[in-house]
Order: sequence, then C-alpha cells, then structure tokens
Amino acid sequence: GDSVTQMEGPVTLSEEAFLTINCTYTATGYPSLFWYVQYPGEGLQLLLKATKADDKGSNKGFEATYRKETTSFHLEKGSVQVSDSAVYFCALRPNSGYSTLTFGKGTMLLVSP
Amino acid sequence: SAVISQKPSRDICQRGTSLTIQCQVDSQVTMMFWYRQQPGQSLTLIATANQGSEATYESGFVIDKFPISRPNLTFSTLTVSNMSPEDSSIYLCSVGEPQETQYFGPGTRLLVL
Repeated sequence: GDSVTQMEGPVTLSEEAFLTINCTYTATGYPSLFWYVQYPGEGLQLLLKATKADDKGSNKGFEATYRKETTSFHLEKGSVQVSDSAVYFCALRPNSGYSTLTFGKGTMLLVSP
Repeated sequence: SAVISQKPSRDICQRGTSLTIQCQVDSQVTMMFWYRQQPGQSLTLIATANQGSEATYESGFVIDKFPISRPNLTFSTLTVSNMSPEDSSIYLCSVGEPQETQYFGPGTRLLVL
C-alpha cells in the first residue's frame, strides 16, 4: 500500500538557519503530495502542495519540489523563524477516485532565537 | 478554503462515558473525514462520512465504538463510546471534494481519566 516516510525529529535550528525536512513516498501511479503544518495546540493547516512531477509548491517562504525519479518531496526554507516551530506532516493522495490522505509520522521543528 | 469548526475544543471525561464531537463547515462539501491523532503520533483515518450513506470505517475502527452521523452537507458528528484512557487523543474533522485539497478543523482534545 501507499506510504510516506519522513525524517525523524526533533529538528533543532537557530533562527535564520536553512531548513530541510526529508520526505519520500511509495505509491502506485502519480499521487498528489502535500505538506501540512500543526502549530502547538492547533489543528492542521495546509502549507503547500504539488499535483504532478516537477511541480514546485511554495508558501510563506517554504518550498517543496515533486521529484518523481527519487519519489521525494523535501520541504525547504532558506531562513527559519522562531514562529516556524511546529510539527510538519508530509502526505500523499492517489489521483483516482475518492481517495484519502496517507500521512507521514510528522517531524517536529524547534527554532531557537 | 472551507472554514471548519469543532465542538467541544477540549474535554476531560470519565472512563465508560461517551462524548459526541461536532464538526461544522461554512459551505457544502461532499466528503467529511474523521481522524485520530494519539499523543506524539501522526494522523490515523477513522472513517469517511458522506451524506446519505453510512460511514466507511478504516481497519481497526468499528461503528459501535465510533458512531458517525452526517445529516447534511455541512455537518457531521463523531461519538467516542464507552471511553477508556486509550481513547485520549486529538480528534480532527476534515473536509474535501474528490481529488481536491483536504482542509482540517482545529481538533478536539480529549482526555479520558
């Protein structure tokens, strides 16, 4: 079945550091890929998405590129802020029918001043 | 994107009791989903609720434990029945159209003593 693998956290960075959170997936066909973010005490918010190979999703300074050849969708940000501290979830959804999301385990990011 | 609210936002319950969680959306949606997020874990889909039909439960979840209602296109409820401490989790409602982005509510934080 489909699966998503994320790097384990927590990822601890200083403010203005470069961020990479790795995400790889296993799926048949070409799924849509998503990054969701969960701030402390809150629900999930969609951060960005990509629906086909080589698409780049971007939002709030975060980027991720859909790489079919490496089945990856790594999340990057050039300069993190303390307010970026949250749990980040990578997810996929098959592009057929009434399919649902498959989530990775989540990666906690802690940014210190 | 849809605006989703959940009630209650949090609750502390005694074992053996039941709690009904409400999910309200500000627009009509085809699909509503209920997820469970156990402490420090990722999201697990409990069931998909479509109006006019019985909910479809994922492996490991049964209707007797998690009855779901979907009376119209903007509202759903999830009941956690005969609760035990293992049911302590965040319960999240999400909505979406087939092959469209899913949006999440703020979650209901449940603690069972």
